[in-house]
Amino acid sequence: SSELTQPPSVSVSPGQTATITCSGHKLGDTYVGWYQQKPGQSPVLVVYRDDKRPSGVPERFSGSSSGNTATLTISGTQTMDEADYYCQAWDTGLVVFGGGTKLTVL
Amino acid sequence: EVQLVESGGDLVQPGGSLKLSCAASGFTFSESPMHWVRQASGKGLEWVGHIRTEANDYATAHAASVKGRFTISRDDSKSTAYLQMSSLKTEDTAVYYCASGGWYDAFDLWGQGTMVTVSS
Repeated sequence: SSELTQPPSVSVSPGQTATITCSGHKLGDTYVGWYQQKPGQSPVLVVYRDDKRPSGVPERFSGSSSGNTATLTISGTQTMDEADYYCQAWDTGLVVFGGGTKLTVL
Repeated sequence: EVQLVESGGDLVQPGGSLKLSCAASGFTFSESPMHWVRQASGKGLEWVGHIRTEANDYATAHAASVKGRFTISRDDSKSTAYLQMSSLKTEDTAVYYCASGGWYDAFDLWGQGTMVTVSS
């Protein structure tokens, strides 16, 4: 199956915009989902179908996808957004996750 | 309440077997594909496999790393999915999550996870 590449870490100051990318050569053929995982907790879906936000997820979380790159954007980042973020996609009936990005808010 | 609850995690010796369960409630389990995802300590998420619905003949797929050793099944009458693991290796040590979501869609519900430790 295809691989999804994410930057290992991203740092942002509170109130600024955080951008996390996810690249894969087949991303243009499938929807991308994004998950937030805080230490000791299960992953939580924050974006699905590239740019849709589940009920209850703050509006500051948004997603986009173009070509072979998907992007998770967190506008007005808050300290509570510090977490690991994973992208996820499908490839010929199988599921693949990106390696994860640790978002540090400082 | 809409939830998934995993159980069955344990300490097992290399080469051993273990069966995990994932009990669902609060939604129409029979209409939802079910997935298993694992996470080794300090590592990222790794998809293990999935099982589709009766309408799709309960078709399954597994990651290459577990193919031939792990088997996913479900019992819609009990709203429960299972992960049968055999020929376990130390590298199978991880927290195992079950998750639900649409076909070719994201996983909108996750369980709390159950710990599997493979060690002598």
